[in-house]
Amino acid sequence: QVQLQESGPGLVKPSQTLSLTCTVSGGSIYSGSSYWSWIRQPAGKGLEWIGRIYTSGSINYNPSLRSRVTISVDTSKNQFSLKLSSVTAADTAVYYCAREACSASCYLRNWFDPWGQGTLVTVSS
Amino acid sequence: DIQMTQSPSSLSASVGDRVTITCQASQDISKYLNWYQQKPGKAPKLLIYDASNLETGVPSRFSGSGSGTDFAFTISSLQPEDIATYYCQQYDNLPPTFGGGTKVEIK
Repeated sequence: QVQLQESGPGLVKPSQTLSLTCTVSGGSIYSGSSYWSWIRQPAGKGLEWIGRIYTSGSINYNPSLRSRVTISVDTSKNQFSLKLSSVTAADTAVYYCAREACSASCYLRNWFDPWGQGTLVTVSS
Repeated sequence: DIQMTQSPSSLSASVGDRVTITCQASQDISKYLNWYQQKPGKAPKLLIYDASNLETGVPSRFSGSGSGTDFAFTISSLQPEDIATYYCQQYDNLPPTFGGGTKVEIK
């Protein structure tokens, strides 16, 4: 059973770069036709998809964050990572990683399962 | 981006009540609508995918219906452990987007 775990600094200064890693256990990050996503949730608010990566290296970003986001994969470590540059207080949120499960072509029409437990990142000086 | 409008934003019901949440997409998304349950301090959990398919292990009191732009999520008999916020999410197009959530409380 695949499990995901986020890790990284819980406090980042304004204008700096937020860096998080998601470690996949219980299965290979290569298994199946899976995309691996990052999603965030500000306190008391809704969910926002940040972007995703396929193990072939194909990447998609949310246009609202594209200029500041980089997602990468390290298949040797069974991990994928998120970098968000030039952060402000508006980027304070719980950040989740998740696998995109699917039943067909798997480029679209997926669903997020499972999710990591989430990690709170606060942007403050 | 496809906008997802969920209603109500919150509701209070008694144990055993039938509860229905609706989700409307800003354009036709066929059946590509998923539902999640999020308890306080926890990650969202998949309940329903492709509008009406119950995820393995999820109690049968949860169900989903709809297609096109209008969808519904129903708890047939509300239980105390169902207290949570529920989100719909579309994946007919990139970026995937979520509804604003419905907080379900016990009366």
